[in-house]
Amino acid sequence: DAKTTQPPSMDCAEGRAANLPCNHSTISGNEYVYWYRQIHSQGPQYIIHGLKNNETNEMASLIITEDRKSSTLILPHATLRDTAVYYCIARYNFNKFYFGSGTKLNVKP
Amino acid sequence: GAVVSQHPSRVICKSGTSVKIECRSLDFQATTMFWYRQFPKQSLMLMATSNEGSKATYEQGVEKDKFLINHASLTLSTLTVTSAHPEDSSFYICSASLAQGGFNNEQFFGPGTRLTVL
Repeated sequence: DAKTTQPPSMDCAEGRAANLPCNHSTISGNEYVYWYRQIHSQGPQYIIHGLKNNETNEMASLIITEDRKSSTLILPHATLRDTAVYYCIARYNFNKFYFGSGTKLNVKP
Repeated sequence: GAVVSQHPSRVICKSGTSVKIECRSLDFQATTMFWYRQFPKQSLMLMATSNEGSKATYEQGVEKDKFLINHASLTLSTLTVTSAHPEDSSFYICSASLAQGGFNNEQFFGPGTRLTVL
């Protein structure tokens, strides 16, 4: 079972930053935090992942707390196309992903 | 980026028939592929891990005789739903890893196959 906790849904205004939290309080030292999103009826799309340091790519930023018990995915300027279910995964089983329930992000005009 | 395809994208079949779903890594070799199932309004559930040239490893509660997995090459894994019944209707998604494993190794997901059993 996935060992992450996310709010079931969040709203965000178009053009504003979307901050999606994830709790992984039992994460171990070698577990990476991955973020994927799934737009309706499509396969999940990779967003970003990290271990200890904050990470940024063209899609998003990942902020991991110093104790690694939680993280936040930041979409800097949300658009309507960012409406999706966002999954935070703490990869504790070698090479496998176990998905939790995710956060449904609703970006509104 | 790495691309994973699935075929067919959707299939409708009669109860009792078998259905084969293909998962291909188009521009990379995938030693390991994974199969997931997703029911409406639910999250993805890992069904099995497929390693090229060896038997698949099934998650607890997944019937290996019901869901046959073959990983004959580094770019192709197939999932066969045998004697499908309406409760097998679901969205089936595969994924593939670039290398054999590791925690710092993303998975690339296919677009999914919608199976409807009448």
